[in-house]
Amino acid sequence: SQQGEEDPQALSIQEGENATMNCSYKTSINNLQWYRQNSGRGLVHLILIRSNEREKHSGRLRVTLDTSKKSSSLLITASRAADTASYFCATAGVADKLIFGTGTRLQVFP
Amino acid sequence: DTGVSQNPRHKITKRGQNVTFRCDPISEHNRLYWYRQTLGQGPEFLTYFQNEAQLEKSRLLSDRFSAERPKGSFSTLEIQRTEQGDSAMYLCALALSAIYGYTFGSGTRLTVV
Repeated sequence: SQQGEEDPQALSIQEGENATMNCSYKTSINNLQWYRQNSGRGLVHLILIRSNEREKHSGRLRVTLDTSKKSSSLLITASRAADTASYFCATAGVADKLIFGTGTRLQVFP
Repeated sequence: DTGVSQNPRHKITKRGQNVTFRCDPISEHNRLYWYRQTLGQGPEFLTYFQNEAQLEKSRLLSDRFSAERPKGSFSTLEIQRTEQGDSAMYLCALALSAIYGYTFGSGTRLTVV
């Protein structure tokens, strides 16, 4: 089963613009993680934010977490054509497994 | 090289046939997870192992599915009497623990015709 939903389902932007995608989840969490998936490939871990953190940065990535609203956002700044991929949030809770969202498909045009 | 090798990359099979996928960790990790991903959806949990012990199975894993991890190293996922609804990408992932994040393989794409 999916933990929650991501919004938007699809996003198209020009190179250099920022891309923001949102994730909502349903249960209490230990942490929330973001993954990237290129077409037809496995997922790659991007960044992890703990439940007691509100914001985290990694290069051009910025993640926020609002546990009161059970939501997170991923911001990719100064996007590049190579950022074209699907992005998934995943929550780690009591059970030792990740529950993934439905994903946002990002298309960055040169 | 993701640290996880999955074979085959693609498998086309006729409905009713049995198929087996293999996941080979390149590095040592206690936990090995199997997920299934259909087009346009996120990965859905199937099962996971801690060493050779299978600790949890999803309700998605019907009795036609079986997974093993002998000796706590590589793992196999078998689907018996395949159905068209089994068509999906099957992903293997490794972790010290889910809270630290997964390392995924490239997946095996199954098409049942």
